[in-house]
Amino acid sequence: ELKVEQNPLFLSMQEGKNYTIYCNYSTTSDRLYWYRQDPGKSLESLFVLLSNGAVKQEGRLMASLDTKARLSTLHITAAVHDLSATYFCAVEGYGGSQGNLIFGKGTKLSVKP
Amino acid sequence: DAMVIQNPRYQVTQFGKPVTLSCSQTLNHNVMYWYQQKSSQAPKLLFHYYDKDFNNEADTPDNFQSRRPNTSFCFLDIRSPGLGDAAMYLCATSGAGVIRGAEAFFGQGTRLTVV
Repeated sequence: ELKVEQNPLFLSMQEGKNYTIYCNYSTTSDRLYWYRQDPGKSLESLFVLLSNGAVKQEGRLMASLDTKARLSTLHITAAVHDLSATYFCAVEGYGGSQGNLIFGKGTKLSVKP
Repeated sequence: DAMVIQNPRYQVTQFGKPVTLSCSQTLNHNVMYWYQQKSSQAPKLLFHYYDKDFNNEADTPDNFQSRRPNTSFCFLDIRSPGLGDAAMYLCATSGAGVIRGAEAFFGQGTRLTVV
């Protein structure tokens, strides 16, 4: 059974600081996704990571994937208030579980002045 | 233009009264998902269709059913809503299996209130 764990679940940080969110998953997969969700809103796709060593960057966010360690990271550089949201990683099952998209519990990020 | 459309955005239903939520997509994706998201929790996968193949999660209650009459539409039926079923219901689509690593696109969600 595919399980996805994120940490931390809550993150309060000051503007200008850096931090990393971690996403671990339990079974083989090379398809990992990061989403952002604002309160009361739906999910917005941020990154799609498809291979070991994949790294993608958009603005102050950078995501990476290590399929051997079954670990993805979302690094925040010089945080700004607009980044305050909940961030979810999601992993797609492999082989027979293809298409089965399972989410982590999310990291609620609050960036304070 | 919206690519995954959920209707209605807000639904109030009475305890025990059947309710249907709808989702349509213009992406021609082969996979459609239904997720339940309660306040401050992660989206929980209820079931998904891989083309016409229905895949039910083991812990999805029998109270929840789904229909996919064609590629574009998918419905979530809650046969006898309870107070614990109040949540945001998210529909998503993906080209998974056809497009490697295709991301899932989410609709705006339907917020269900049970009174």
